[in-house]
This record gives sequence, C-alpha cells and structure tokens, in this order.
Amino acid sequence: DGGITQSPKYLFRKEGQNVTLSCEQNLNHDAMYWYRQDPGQGLRLIYYSQIVNDFQKGDIAEGYSVSREKKESFPLTVTSAQKNPTAFYLCASSWTHRNSNQPQHFGDGTRLSIL
Amino acid sequence: GNSVTQMEGPVTLSEEAFLTINCTYTATGYPSLFWYVQYPGEGLQLLLKATKADDKGSNKGFEATYRKETTSFHLEKGSVQVSDSAVYFCALSEVDSSYKLIFGSGTRLLVRP
Repeated sequence: DGGITQSPKYLFRKEGQNVTLSCEQNLNHDAMYWYRQDPGQGLRLIYYSQIVNDFQKGDIAEGYSVSREKKESFPLTVTSAQKNPTAFYLCASSWTHRNSNQPQHFGDGTRLSIL
Repeated sequence: GNSVTQMEGPVTLSEEAFLTINCTYTATGYPSLFWYVQYPGEGLQLLLKATKADDKGSNKGFEATYRKETTSFHLEKGSVQVSDSAVYFCALSEVDSSYKLIFGSGTRLLVRP
C-alpha cells in the first residue's frame, strides 16, 4: 500500500544534540512538508519542498534543517539551536498540479522529547 | 495573510447527537477548503474537501459546504458515534504556487455513549 512512513515514532534528545527525523513516501508525490504540532494547537509549517534538491522555509524554520536528495525522502534535522524542540512532528506529501485542490497526505508522526 | 478560525473545543456530545463545528476563513482569491481528522497518537487524515463556492464535500456521514458569501466551511454530521471522537482541523490551500495549507487550531470532539 502507498503511504508515508515516519520513523521513529518516539525520539528522545539530550541537550545540545542534533537529531534527524525520517520521512519516506511511496506515493510518487512531488511535494513534501514538515509540520510541528504542539498540544492543543494547530499545525505550523517548518519546511517544504516542491522538487528534488530544492526546499523553502516555512513559518518556523529556525533551528531546523532539511534535505531533499531523493523524491521519496525528506528528512528533518532538529538542531541544538532549536530551544524548545519537544513537540509532535508530522510529515506530509502532495501532488503539485496547477490547481490548488490537491490534499496533503500525512504520516503518523514522530514525538520528540527532551531528556 | 490567509487564516482559518475554528470554534474552540472541546465539543462534548452524546451518541447520535447532531454535530456542527464552525470554521471561517480569510483568504484572497478562491482557495480550496479541507477538513482533516486526527485520532489520538496519529497523523491527519483527509475527511473531505471542496474546491469552489457552493461545493459540498462529504464523507462517512460528514458534510461541509463552501460558502463564499459567509467565508465559512462548517462541518456537520447528523448522528455522531463514539468512534468519531477525535480532533478536527479545518484548512485552506494557499492560492499561489506553494501548495501550502493553512490550518485552524483544531477542535476536539468527545462523543459519550
């Protein structure tokens, strides 16, 4: 079955460490996205990529980095510069056709906590 | 900029009650509108969508109509079940080449037996 796989489901980070969250999709989607979700809040966009080897900052990119070396993969690194990294991270993907009615498909998320 | 406003939760209902979750938006142009549902510990699943004014999206007994005159996209269901307990997000698509979605803050629904 096609879908988006995020791993790991739970991740713990020590102070000063960088950690990388994995996101893989086999839907052949062009665009991929990373969101952060805090308790009781909506989703905030961190980074997005519409094509391989290109990506753009979202609303809260500081302290995060991404790469898009392959169409199916869009890993997110939470760096030590991100002072409040504890959150639920969601990866999504979608087609990029001319019209804007393409829904985004989501993975099951990675919950990151600080030790 | 574009934005989405949802009614605050939690919304608590008894099984078989009628559900309405309000969603209004601010946008330039003609965005597409979506409702997503999130069950505990999971990602978001697309529930329904509408792409132009007066379109009605529907799925699993849920409905929402794209009302341009009131800039609204309220979610309704005639008879909720315990299994509908989840967080519901309203979202709109940016009307540019970014394909980004703007999400509301989510509304938690709790259905009691």
